[in-house]
Amino acid sequence: GAVVSQHPSWVICKSGTSVKIECRSLDFQATTMFWYRQFPKQSLMLMATSNEGSKATYEQGVEKDKFLINHASLTLSTLTVTSAHPEDSSFYICSASTMTGSSYEQYFGPGTRLTVT
Amino acid sequence: QKEVEQDPGPLSVPEGAIVSLNCTYSNSAFQYFMWYRQYSRKGPELLMYTYSSGNKEDGRFTAQVDKSSKYISLFIRDSQPSDSATYLCALELSGNTPLVFGKGTRLSVIA
Repeated sequence: GAVVSQHPSWVICKSGTSVKIECRSLDFQATTMFWYRQFPKQSLMLMATSNEGSKATYEQGVEKDKFLINHASLTLSTLTVTSAHPEDSSFYICSASTMTGSSYEQYFGPGTRLTVT
Repeated sequence: QKEVEQDPGPLSVPEGAIVSLNCTYSNSAFQYFMWYRQYSRKGPELLMYTYSSGNKEDGRFTAQVDKSSKYISLFIRDSQPSDSATYLCALELSGNTPLVFGKGTRLSVIA
């Protein structure tokens, strides 16, 4: 089946530093990847849509200069949280879209738990 | 009104019970309907994917979509303790677009 990995799975950083999260589709190519954020006991909220080779599209209220997304290849997208603050502590999950039969299906990575101290 | 409504539970059932999970939505433009299972501190796992009204069965799981009522359901037969997780409905306007998630229903199956 379609497998998506994320690295790191868990990271603690100090306030003001930057953190990079990688999302890889392991056994398929994904022209589109999505980044979601999930706060405790809440659902997933879309942050941005990332298409290979083009600039990411951010949702309203998500600062594009703070959450830098790079989608340089069909199997890798990265999210960099710049100048992280404690309120950025959350569970960040990526998904990769692939065509299965005549429809698209999204497969999610295992998530990255970010704690900013 | 939120785009997707889902009762967050928690829902607790005995092992072997039939579980019914539901979501309602307001935008009739949604075309694709999914159910994901999420264990604690893990990413969502795709369980069921449907795009038309009616039923779709996969093992112990049955997904039901009623587009006229804007209502989707997931049934779990012969529930097992390993089914204990949060179940999220997700809707999509068209292929390869972002998913809109319900809040998720936390299910506990008691042995």
